Amino acid sequence: TQLLEQSPQFLSIQEGENLTVYCNSSSVFSSLQWYRQEPGEGPVLLVTVVTGGEVKKLKRLTFQFGDARKDSSLHITAAQTGDTGLYLCAGESGNTGKLIFGQGTTLQVKP
Amino acid sequence: DTEVTQTPKHLVMGMTNKKSLKCEQHMGHRAMYWYKQKAKKPPELMFVYSYEKLSINESVPSRFSPECPNSSLLNLHLHALQPEDSALYLCASSKRGLAGLAAGELFFGEGSRLTVL
Repeated sequence: TQLLEQSPQFLSIQEGENLTVYCNSSSVFSSLQWYRQEPGEGPVLLVTVVTGGEVKKLKRLTFQFGDARKDSSLHITAAQTGDTGLYLCAGESGNTGKLIFGQGTTLQVKP
Repeated sequence: DTEVTQTPKHLVMGMTNKKSLKCEQHMGHRAMYWYKQKAKKPPELMFVYSYEKLSINESVPSRFSPECPNSSLLNLHLHALQPEDSALYLCASSKRGLAGLAAGELFFGEGSRLTVL
């Protein structure tokens, strides 16, 4: 069974701080996706990483896919209150048609 | 704005009621999904429709009955639910619709918040 472990599960920081969220597995994934979900909304896709070692940047967010395609990280620089939400990593499970979600990281950025 | 539209946004029902959740997308996606989500937890897959045919049922109780009338619409019929079924129900779609291919990137609706009394 493929599993994705996210850490930390909860994170409360002050505006302006930096943070990193990790998504780890013992399995290889063909790609990993990161979603952000705000309260009362559905998850919104932030990025997809496909190539081992790949780094993608989205404004203050930096996403990295591990060389072995078993792990990924999300780094936020100078967090803002608008970054508050549930961050989910998700990996494609081979050819089963299923997306495997991590347990999620709840981020609270305080003013 | 999301391109996957779900109605209603909120639903309160008793355990003997029959109700339906509706989902619509006009992106030409051929795979559609129902997920159930509890607070601060990841979405849990319930059903997958691929080219309007049910391709995955994650052992969901029969009190949940999915229906895909056409490639743009997905319904979830609810009957005799339990209070523990209260949750956010998310519909999603993706470009990949062929059975045997992984999910690809999902586009979620805003969800229907269901409360069972």
